[in-house]
Amino acid sequence: DSGVTQTPKHLITATGQRVTLRCSPRSGDLSVYWYQQSLDQGLQFLIQYYNGEERAKGNILERFSAQQFPDLHSELNLSSLELGDSALYFCASSVPQGSTDTQYFGPGTRLTVL
Amino acid sequence: AQTVTQSQPEMSVQEAETVTLSCTYDTSESDYYLFWYKQPPSRQMILVIRQEAYKQQNATENRFSVNFQKAAKSFSLKISDSQLGDAAMYFCALPGGATNKLIFGTGTLLAVQP
Repeated sequence: DSGVTQTPKHLITATGQRVTLRCSPRSGDLSVYWYQQSLDQGLQFLIQYYNGEERAKGNILERFSAQQFPDLHSELNLSSLELGDSALYFCASSVPQGSTDTQYFGPGTRLTVL
Repeated sequence: AQTVTQSQPEMSVQEAETVTLSCTYDTSESDYYLFWYKQPPSRQMILVIRQEAYKQQNATENRFSVNFQKAAKSFSLKISDSQLGDAAMYFCALPGGATNKLIFGTGTLLAVQP
């Protein structure tokens, strides 16, 4: 158990809908990263928050947004869902170690868009 | 730009034997970390081992060790005394510069034969 929690574990929804994925980082971790794992794209970085502020953006669609709240939990909002958004979404939280962060992953949310 | 290459899509090893998974990378950073993550059938991403680039000594975590060759930009993972529970997808990962987002290889699927 990494100490990172994600809810829900599974989500099935229809095209055009909107969903919210939730992540609670490990106690004391200030950074949250979101990743998407799909069969055709592999593991892709979406966005990073650090202590409530957006730190970096990756290949995140405009239909997707995220935020980190004062209690450090984070939410990833996916809207106008398409079939291609079906994927496993991970969040990771990190502790600084030297010049980099060591990231610990949550169990993921499996999103199925029908 | 940082890249990570895993050239072995699948590997197989007999229980109790040793196997080595390959990873090559490219980065312009001088100080960086490298990571191996394991993704078993549960799909959880589990940190296996990390290596600091400025340390010449190869990292070791129980049955897992790395062969880090900085000049060759090679970072292989050796699993000794393989166990059935080692069967998983293994990803090599490199932080992508200042953001520390992880850049993943395409993974190596390891099967362990009883």
